[in-house]
Amino acid sequence: GQNIDQPTEMTATEGAIVQINCTYQTSGFNGLFWYQQHAGEAPTFLSYNVLDGLEEKGRFSSFLSRSKGYSYLLLKELQMKDSASYLCAAMDSNYQLIWGAGTKLIIKP
Amino acid sequence: GAVVSQHPSWVICKSGTSVKIECRSLDFQATTMFWYRQFPKQSLMLMATSNEGSKATYEQGVEKDKFLINHASLTLSTLTVTSAHPEDSSFYICSARDTLGTSGRADTGELFFGEGSRLTVL
Repeated sequence: GQNIDQPTEMTATEGAIVQINCTYQTSGFNGLFWYQQHAGEAPTFLSYNVLDGLEEKGRFSSFLSRSKGYSYLLLKELQMKDSASYLCAAMDSNYQLIWGAGTKLIIKP
Repeated sequence: GAVVSQHPSWVICKSGTSVKIECRSLDFQATTMFWYRQFPKQSLMLMATSNEGSKATYEQGVEKDKFLINHASLTLSTLTVTSAHPEDSSFYICSARDTLGTSGRADTGELFFGEGSRLTVL
């Protein structure tokens, strides 16, 4: 079956770095997405990886290893506004997104 | 990025009534739109895939007669919750991909989400 695993909740300190891991199993693979979702709002796009390696975009970076079925989202210089849920989603061979349950990130001062 | 607008943002209705939610792609054409439901503290659950000019594809366990989807044009899909009950109270979100590239940007597979519609059925 198809499955996405990511931690339910993580806590980090303002100004620090946090890494949110995601493992996936899909029928075929057409890329891995990370979305940020604040409570009561729709998700917003953060990153897309389809090739192995690290993609850096400002304070946020995303890594993919296709052979390991593994990705992580790295957030640097954490700010209070980064408190949100982070959703990992993998696109299968039919271009359908398989969603993880999301990781709730709590930032403490 | 491409813009998807969803309306209404909030709706409160009485049990037994029907509610229509609209999802519009403002600056691109979308042959396919996706409808999700999200209960508190849970992830997005795909309800159905809306296809322009043809019938929607529903996920297992989603009642097609209760959640009516119409995708009459390349920029508009509607979800109608018929005979709504309190258990239908949820956050409904639509999304679309710019597969045709009509926004002038290449399709990266990115989903553009509407703002979401919070439905409360009394």
